[in-house]
Amino acid sequence: EPEVTQTPSHQVTQMGQEVILRCVPISNHLYFYWYRQILGQKVEFLVSFYNNEISEKSEIFDDQFSVERPDGSNFTLKIRSTKLEDSAMYFCASSYTKGLAGNEQFFGPGTRLTVL
Amino acid sequence: QKEVEQNSGPLSVPEGAIASLNCTYSDRGSQSFFWYRQYSGKSPELIMFIYSNGDKEDGRFTAQLNKASQYVSLLIRDSQPSDSATYLCAVGNEKLTFGTGTRLTIIP
Repeated sequence: EPEVTQTPSHQVTQMGQEVILRCVPISNHLYFYWYRQILGQKVEFLVSFYNNEISEKSEIFDDQFSVERPDGSNFTLKIRSTKLEDSAMYFCASSYTKGLAGNEQFFGPGTRLTVL
Repeated sequence: QKEVEQNSGPLSVPEGAIASLNCTYSDRGSQSFFWYRQYSGKSPELIMFIYSNGDKEDGRFTAQLNKASQYVSLLIRDSQPSDSATYLCAVGNEKLTFGTGTRLTIIP
């Protein structure tokens, strides 16, 4: 069964460093998303991406964040200068459409980011 | 601010009984509703989705949607210990807004 994959599973970094989180969405999906979940809190939307551009972004997704689809399979989230409060689980998700029927989003296993 | 509200629980249900999970949402324009299951330290796993008013059944799971009351629920029949998890209600067509989740414990 097709699935979303993410690497690495755990990333430890120093405050101020850049990190890149990687995702491979389900192959025939067209919409890609990043969410994050701070420990003990709800899952929060960061950004959606379609046709090689950002479709929607949240207030969390400030200038320190960027997304890219560098090739036909990978989808990346970059945090330029990490802060302590960026420590969280980051989930990538993908869906076939955004309309009714087919817009179910399937989540990857997540990357746990720890900022020291 | 679009909100999704869930009772955080914990909700304890005996094995074999029906577990009932509830969710309300604030955005009347919402069209897509999802239930995810999340085990501790894991990612959300899609269980059910529903778009139309009424009931939708899939095995032991039934999702119920009432758009007039802005209410969506999930029933789990014949609850099993493996159903013990946090259940997340999510609303939205593209951007999903999640509730805080209801922690469900099935007691053997």
